[in-house]
Amino acid sequence: ILNVEQSPQSLHVQEGDSTNFTCSFPSSNFYALHWYRWETAKSPEALFVMTLNGDEKKKGRISATLNTKEGYSYLYIKGSQPEDSATYLCAFENAGNMLTFGGGTRLMVKP
Amino acid sequence: DAGVIQSPRHEVTEMGQEVTLRCKPISGHDYLFWYRQTMMRGLELLIYFNNNVPIDDSGMPEDRFSAKMPNASFSTLKIQPSEPRDSAVYFCASSTSMDSYGYTFGSGTRLTVV
Repeated sequence: ILNVEQSPQSLHVQEGDSTNFTCSFPSSNFYALHWYRWETAKSPEALFVMTLNGDEKKKGRISATLNTKEGYSYLYIKGSQPEDSATYLCAFENAGNMLTFGGGTRLMVKP
Repeated sequence: DAGVIQSPRHEVTEMGQEVTLRCKPISGHDYLFWYRQTMMRGLELLIYFNNNVPIDDSGMPEDRFSAKMPNASFSTLKIQPSEPRDSAVYFCASSTSMDSYGYTFGSGTRLTVV
C-alpha cells in the first residue's frame, strides 16, 4: 500500500489570503505527481502533472513545486478567491501508470 | 470531445440485484480506470485497463465485482449481487500515455443499494 499523505485535511482562509498545502509521497518507483481540483458534486479536474525533480508549474494564481528526492510537493494559491473553494487532491503515479490518491485538502475561502 | 461519459448518473437498487455501470472514455485514450469514492477510504482504484486489457484488478473488493472493456470506446463495471456497503460514487477516468495532462474523469455514478 502506497502512502500518499496530504496536509492539512482542511483549511479555512479569508478572501485575498495566500495559502499552501503539502503532499508527501514515496520517493521510490516515482513516475509523476498529479494535482487535481475537485469541486463538490463535480468530478476531479487535472491541474498539473509534474515529472522532474525541481519542476514548478503555474496556472493563473495556482502554482506547484516538486521534490522527488525527499518525496513532497507543495500547491500554492495566491490571493485566494471564494471560487477556489474545493478539495485539492494529489496523486502519485508509479512506473506502471497507476495513480494512488492522497486524502485531499479541503479548502474553504470566505468572502 | 464530450469528455469521459458515464451512465447512469444515479442508480438506486435493492440488495441482491445486479448493477452495471458504464463508461465511454475519450477517443484515443489508451488507459481506462475505475475508481470508487467513499467517505472512509477516499478515491480508491478498483481496476485499470491498457489498450482494452485489464492490467491490475487488485483493487476489486470481491468476486462480486467484475469489469470488462470489450473495445476501446466502452467499459462496464458490474456488481452482482449488490450489497448496501457497495453504496458509493464510482468514477471512470481515461488517459493517454502520449502526453502528461493527467487523467480526465467522468461525472461519476452515485450508487445506492438499499
